[in-house]
This record gives sequence, C-alpha cells and structure tokens, in this order.
Amino acid sequence: GENVGLHLPTLSVQEGDNSIINCAYSNSASDYFIWYKQESGKGPQFIIDIRSNMDKRQGQRVTVLLNKTVKHLSLQIAATQPGDSAVYFCAEIYTGANSKLTFGKGITLSVRP
Amino acid sequence: GAVVSQHPSRVICKSGTSVKIECRSLDFQATTMFWYRQFPKQSLMLMATSNEGSKATYEQGVEKDKFLINHASLTLSTLTVTSAHPEDSSFYICSARGPIGAGAGVSTDTQYFGPGTRLTVL
Repeated sequence: GENVGLHLPTLSVQEGDNSIINCAYSNSASDYFIWYKQESGKGPQFIIDIRSNMDKRQGQRVTVLLNKTVKHLSLQIAATQPGDSAVYFCAEIYTGANSKLTFGKGITLSVRP
Repeated sequence: GAVVSQHPSRVICKSGTSVKIECRSLDFQATTMFWYRQFPKQSLMLMATSNEGSKATYEQGVEKDKFLINHASLTLSTLTVTSAHPEDSSFYICSARGPIGAGAGVSTDTQYFGPGTRLTVL
C-alpha cells in the first residue's frame, strides 16, 4: 500500500550472507508483483517479477516468493555483495484496464564488508 | 531491451520559471508512461498516467495546471513544472509500460523506469 511520508527501515547484512527482504502487499486482487532496486540518485531498476499463479521464481542470485494467503512477498538475495546495497521496493498491480503499480514503503539494504 | 531515458538529469532554476523534463523509451514503444515524484528516503508517489495521444490522468492532489504532461508519441512524454517554487524541488522519475517491440522476455505489464531528474528550485 501507500506509505508516503514514512522513513525507510534498514536491513543490515554481512557480505556473503543471504538477505531476505519482506513486503506485505495490500490488494488481494493484485495478480502481478515486481521487485525494484533503487540506488542513490537513480531510478528504480527492475530485478524480478512474479505472477499470482506462481509461488516462487528464481533469477540470478535472486528468488522471489509469493504467499497469497497472507499477502506476503519476499526477495531473497544469495551471497550478498556490496553492490547490492540499495533501497528495495516491492510493487503490486492488478493487470486490468487502467492498471498502475502500487509501491511498498521500501527497505534499505546495507551490506557490511 | 526496455531502456528509458530522462533529460535533464539535474536542473536548477529560479523560482517562478518553468522547467520541462523529457522521458523517452529508447528501444521500444510505450503505450503508457507514468510520472512519479520522490522525496528523500521515501517511496515513489505517482503523479499522473499518460497515454499516447490522450490527456493525462492525474492522481488526487496533483495540480494538472502546474504539472503539464504531454505524450505526443509512443516514445516521448514530457512533464513541465510551471511557475516552479522551492516546494517543487524533488526527484522526478518517469516510467514506461507496454514495450511494443522490446523483444522476447519483456513483459507488457512491467514498468521500466528512467534514471530520474533532480529538480532544485531556488
């Protein structure tokens, strides 16, 4: 859902460890979900997506898990690297007419060397 | 595929002037483009949705006469901040959807974002 005005929470992980970033989405009718990575001063970058007919999707070093029962989305990053430090946003959408993304509040991932 | 550019990346202007920001889809045709505003350490706030050849749809609370949007072609949308004031200083980001011609593996439901434009109004 919308969280404009709230400061972003931070997740701190050791380099090489796995990271898990969680997101609770708001609309039970949403059928498409995306994770974005935003580095300081840049626009959001597409990481991975998943449709509601799936519960898991894997990419390179990243995995997205979807639990529609509790409206929960997570992003797992394997062997976290310093370059993974950024703000991560989940986004949901119902892909009907005039659909538009709704962004989560975002989480800052900080990787300790 | 699915690359979106914005110009300028950074602009500083005096209060009362107007500023135009361009958003281009470089390797695909975008049926819909979106304009967002982002304050430091906050999420993206959707300002408006624009479809090529039609009037933009503005979100509640966004002044359409202050933030003029033109989507003249399938690869270009512009946002003009008219009579800018210091409170308009922000990071403006566009995104594009409907990547016709972007090739296999690119979803028509996904929004691809530009690099953003940092506007500072003195």
